[in-house]
Amino acid sequence: GQNIDQPTEMTATEGAIVQINCTYQTSGFNGLFWYQQHAGEAPTFLSYNVLDGLEEKGRFSSFLSRSKGYSYLLLKELQMKDSASYLCAVRDQGTYKYIFGTGTRLKVLA
Amino acid sequence: DVKVTQSSRYLVKRTGEKVFLECVQDMDHENMFWYRQDPGLGLRLIYFSYDVKMKEKGDIPEGYSVSREKKERFSLILESASTNQTSMYLCASSLRSDQPQHFGDGTRLSIL
Repeated sequence: GQNIDQPTEMTATEGAIVQINCTYQTSGFNGLFWYQQHAGEAPTFLSYNVLDGLEEKGRFSSFLSRSKGYSYLLLKELQMKDSASYLCAVRDQGTYKYIFGTGTRLKVLA
Repeated sequence: DVKVTQSSRYLVKRTGEKVFLECVQDMDHENMFWYRQDPGLGLRLIYFSYDVKMKEKGDIPEGYSVSREKKERFSLILESASTNQTSMYLCASSLRSDQPQHFGDGTRLSIL
């Protein structure tokens, strides 16, 4: 079967670093996306990993290990506006389909 | 900037009605998608299209159909609405399958 697992909820303090994990089991793999979704709004693209390793983009970084079926999103210097849900999505190999996790709701406290 | 526009933010319909949700993108994207988003279940793919007049079933196509007569427009149709189709519906598009999806603002649909 196909499955993506993320923690349901996380809490962190403003200025801190937080790591949101994502593990996946899919029949094929052709890339992993991270999206941010504020309450009541559309998801917006954060990062894309297709090869193993770390992709850095400002305060956000994303890591992928294909052999372990594992990714994480690292958020540094947390700000209140980072309070949102973070969605992990895997692109299934050979299709146009994306499989989404249920999302991790991050609360940033002052 | 990519713009994906969904026709309504909020919609209330009655059981048994035929419901049309419209989505338009302005960036000449090949691929378009319809998802529904429910608490605890995440985003689930209903249908997608990778070209004009082409459509593929997603994970939960039952009770839905789609139409893509023009490249920029992808319509979701609830043939006979039921209360379990009350949900947030999100449309998305992407230039190619290895490119990120761009989402519309969503339509919160209530079926009474």
